Amino acid sequence: QKEVEQNSGPLSVPEGAIASLNCTYSDRGSQSFFWYRQYSGKSPELIMFIYSNGDKEDGRFTAQLNKASQYVSLLIRDSQPSDSATYLCAVGTGNNRKLIWGLGTSLAVNP
Amino acid sequence: EPEVTQTPSHQVTQMGQEVILRCVPISNHLYFYWYRQILGQKVEFLVSFYNNEISEKSEIFDDQFSVERPDGSNFTLKIRSTKLEDSAMYFCASSLGTSSETQYFGPGTRLLVL
Repeated sequence: QKEVEQNSGPLSVPEGAIASLNCTYSDRGSQSFFWYRQYSGKSPELIMFIYSNGDKEDGRFTAQLNKASQYVSLLIRDSQPSDSATYLCAVGTGNNRKLIWGLGTSLAVNP
Repeated sequence: EPEVTQTPSHQVTQMGQEVILRCVPISNHLYFYWYRQILGQKVEFLVSFYNNEISEKSEIFDDQFSVERPDGSNFTLKIRSTKLEDSAMYFCASSLGTSSETQYFGPGTRLLVL
């Protein structure tokens, strides 16, 4: 059974701090990794994707991938109250069309 | 900016009834998906669809479920005889289908089976 695991939180950070969100996955053959943000009652919204080992930066967001450790993370710099949401890690398996999802980490950014 | 749309936003039905959930994927996308999310649980893959046929389906997607692309724009999920445990948010997604695997999600349909 292919699994994606995340710490459910809640993770609470003050405004302006760095939020660090982590995800591990079980399928060593996974090739694509995605971070989605989900507000309560809404659909997942893509934040970032990463395919290669290392870091990928997009504005205040940095995704980090370590395939040897089967670990992917998301850093949010200068966290804002509007970043408060559940962050979902999703991993592409097989031919990468099917996404396996973690339960999500709830992030609260306090003003 | 192009987006995936879904109708209806909410659907209430009686157990045993058939429901059809509708989606309009992004126009130049080639792969279409259905996922569901039971309240408080993980998003679960149901089915992927390409070139007018199912490319992969999960164990959840049993004989009670079917998908169809009846025309050039709509993509539907039918549940033939709903059960209480089918109550969930159902999300449609689409992807371009080239080197980009990124899936873009619609707003979802909240299905409640009574």
